[in-house]
Amino acid sequence: DVKVTQSSRYLVKRTGEKVFLECVQDMDHENMFWYRQDPGLGLRLIYFSYDVKMKEKGDIPEGYSVSREKKERFSLILESASTNQTSMYLCASTHVGSYSNQPQHFGDGTRLSIL
Amino acid sequence: KQEVTQIPAALSVPEGENLVLNCSFTDSAIYNLQWFRQDPGKGLTSLLLIQSSQREQTSGRLNASLDKSSGRSTLYIAASQPGDSATYLCAVRTAETSGSRLTFGEGTQLTVNP
Repeated sequence: DVKVTQSSRYLVKRTGEKVFLECVQDMDHENMFWYRQDPGLGLRLIYFSYDVKMKEKGDIPEGYSVSREKKERFSLILESASTNQTSMYLCASTHVGSYSNQPQHFGDGTRLSIL
Repeated sequence: KQEVTQIPAALSVPEGENLVLNCSFTDSAIYNLQWFRQDPGKGLTSLLLIQSSQREQTSGRLNASLDKSSGRSTLYIAASQPGDSATYLCAVRTAETSGSRLTFGEGTQLTVNP
């Protein structure tokens, strides 16, 4: 079974802190994604990565950065946390190419609160 | 830009009823369509994936159909149970290449009453 593991289920941080959210997948997937989910706004893509050290902006990249130093790990970084970044953050991964009709797999999410 | 709409936003049914959830998308040039389930406070669980060349997929009491030309998909749940209560999301994938991404609908919140 594919497993996407997010490092924390719940996280509380203070305004201005640098925050790291970690995600690890065990299926050698090329693509990895970070979303945030807010009531009434649905899932919005923040950043994605299609290879080690490669990244592309999603729909709402402002205030975030990402790091992918190893294929299995994709980190989301809040450079200086603000209260409007309080949200549920979801990591996902999937194959590309000839395997790309496989589903996208999600982690359990990190509920982040910025005080 | 691809847009995905799910109707209704919420649905409440008695146990045992058959039901249909709807998903529509604006750009028919999709690669596949995926249905997910999300329980409160949790991540998304993949239920069914329909490739663009397919018309339907089945898993147990779930059946998903795809009509690409009209930009519609339905998720049929037979003999609903209280354990089916969750939010159901559909998402479309637009390309096979690296960087391909999913566009999500906002979901249908389903409540099955005992």
